[in-house]
Amino acid sequence: GEDVEQSLFLSVREGDSSVINCTYTDSSSTYLYWYKQEPGAGLQLLTYIFSNMDMKQDQRLTVLLNKKDKHLSLRIADTQTGDSAIYFCAEGGGGNKLTFGTGTQLKVEL
Amino acid sequence: GAVVSQHPSRVICKSGTSVKIECRSLDFQATTMFWYRQFPKKSLMLMATSNEGSKATYEQGVEKDKFLINHASLTLSTLTVTSAHPEDSSFYICSAIWQGARDTQYFGPGTRLTVL
Repeated sequence: GEDVEQSLFLSVREGDSSVINCTYTDSSSTYLYWYKQEPGAGLQLLTYIFSNMDMKQDQRLTVLLNKKDKHLSLRIADTQTGDSAIYFCAEGGGGNKLTFGTGTQLKVEL
Repeated sequence: GAVVSQHPSRVICKSGTSVKIECRSLDFQATTMFWYRQFPKKSLMLMATSNEGSKATYEQGVEKDKFLINHASLTLSTLTVTSAHPEDSSFYICSAIWQGARDTQYFGPGTRLTVL
């Protein structure tokens, strides 16, 4: 079955870079996604990467994909307090279904 | 673009009553919407796939008679929790697929259901 795992918690200082990691098992995924969830809110799509790409950069966000190791990471440069949230990776399976990771809570300290 | 709304954002009801939650795609049409349930500090659990004009497809372990889904138009899907019990209390999130954006899922803000 599909299984997507993330570390539960990450704490960084404001201005530093954050790296959130994700491992997945379904090699047939076409797209891999990163979503952000703030307390009591829905999910906001941050970025996505097509499975045949290795890297995608979008302003402060850099996504790295190692398809061989089934490893996905999200790097947030110059992390701000407004980046504090839960970050979910997700892989796109058949029928447009998404399998979500366990979520990583990012805490940004001053 | 790609805004999905949910209504209500928060609802408190008595045990045994039914609650309807609406999910709307505001600026695009969605033939497919999804309903998720999220427990505190947990990931999202897919409950069902809502298909416009046809029956919903439920995930294993989700009672279709308890969680009624109706996708009556290309911009609206509803989830009705029938005869709600305290164990149904949760955060319910819908998403809609925008085919014009590589089938990307866009999520609603969620509905917090509390059953007393």
